[in-house]
Parts: sequence; C-alpha cells; structure tokens
Amino acid sequence: QKEVEQNSGPLSVPEGAIASLNCTYSDRGSQSFFWYRQYSGKSPELIMFIYSNGDKEDGRFTAQLNKASQYVSLLIRDSQPSDSATYLCAVREGNTPLVFGKGTRLSVIA
Amino acid sequence: DTGVSQDPRHKITKRGQNVTFRCDPISEHNRLYWYRQTLGQGPEFLTYFQNEAQLEKSRLLSDRFSAERPKGSFSTLEIQRTEQGDSAMYLCASSFHEDNNIQYFGAGTRLSVL
Repeated sequence: QKEVEQNSGPLSVPEGAIASLNCTYSDRGSQSFFWYRQYSGKSPELIMFIYSNGDKEDGRFTAQLNKASQYVSLLIRDSQPSDSATYLCAVREGNTPLVFGKGTRLSVIA
Repeated sequence: DTGVSQDPRHKITKRGQNVTFRCDPISEHNRLYWYRQTLGQGPEFLTYFQNEAQLEKSRLLSDRFSAERPKGSFSTLEIQRTEQGDSAMYLCASSFHEDNNIQYFGAGTRLSVL
C-alpha cells in the first residue's frame, strides 16, 4: 500500500513569515512529487512539481526533495493571508495515477 | 480555470437512485482521471483512461461504479443504486503525455446522497 503522510495541522504562521509544509512517502519507487493547493470547497490547484533531489524555486514557493529520506517539503516565503488553504502532497511512480496525502491546513494570520 | 470542465457542479439524490457525471478534459490531453474526495481526506484515485482505453481501476471502484470515455474526449462516471457513503466530491483531472502527464483538476462534482 503506497502511503503519503502529512501533518493535518492546522499550521498557523504570522503574515510575512515562512511556512514549512512537510510530506513523507512510503514507496521508494516514487519519481515525481507534486504540491497542490486546495481552498475550502474548491478543487486542487497545482503549485509546484519536483523530480530531482534538491531545491526548486518558483516565486515565493520552494519545493525540496530528499529521495534517500523519502521526504518532500514546500516552503512558502512571505506568507500572505491568501495562502491560507489546505496543501496536498502527491507522489507518482512513472506515469501512474497520483497518490495523495490528507493535506496540511495552513492558516496565515494577518 | 484549468480548462477541465465538470458537470453538474452539485448533485443531490436519494439513496438508490442512479447518477451520472460528465468531465470534459483539456482538448489535447489524452489521459483522463477520476478521483473521489471526502471531507478531511486527500483525493483517492478511482480510474483513468488513456484515449478511450480504461487502463486502471482502483479497488475502491465497486461494481456500482462505471466509467466510460467512448471517443477519447469527454468521460462519464455513473454510480448506480447510490448509497449515503457515496457522498463526496468527485474530481476529474486530465494530462498530456508530452507535459510529463502533469494532472490538472476540474472544479469537481459534489454529490450528496440523502
């Protein structure tokens, strides 16, 4: 059974701070890693994807991958109240369907 | 708006009734996926198509569920003899093999079974 684990939160950070969201996965064959943002009542929206060990930056977002530790994280710099949402980690082996974690609820306090 | 359309957005039905949902993927996308999401959980994979071929079905997909993608374009998901446990958000996603099959989600269909 492939599993993706996330702390459900809520994770509360003050406006302007760095939010750090973490995810671990069980399947060592996982090759692709995705972060989706989901606002309450809405569908998942792709934020970032990462395939290789290390960091990948896109604007205020940085994804970090460590395949040896089976760990992927998302950093959000200069957090804004509009970043308040649930962040879903998803992993994939090859071109198989995504396996999602339960998500971490982030609350950015103004 | 990702370009993936789902219809209807909301469906309320009585237990035992049949329901059908439709998904129109992004036009050039050859893969189409169905997921189900309940409150507090991440999306769970149900089934997916490559063009018109249904390539994989989850063990979550009971015999009451059937999905089709007859011409490799839009897809339908039918639930027969609905049960209260079927109440969930049904999400459709599509992807294109030349884009590393990155999946883009539609707005979802929220099903409530009374």
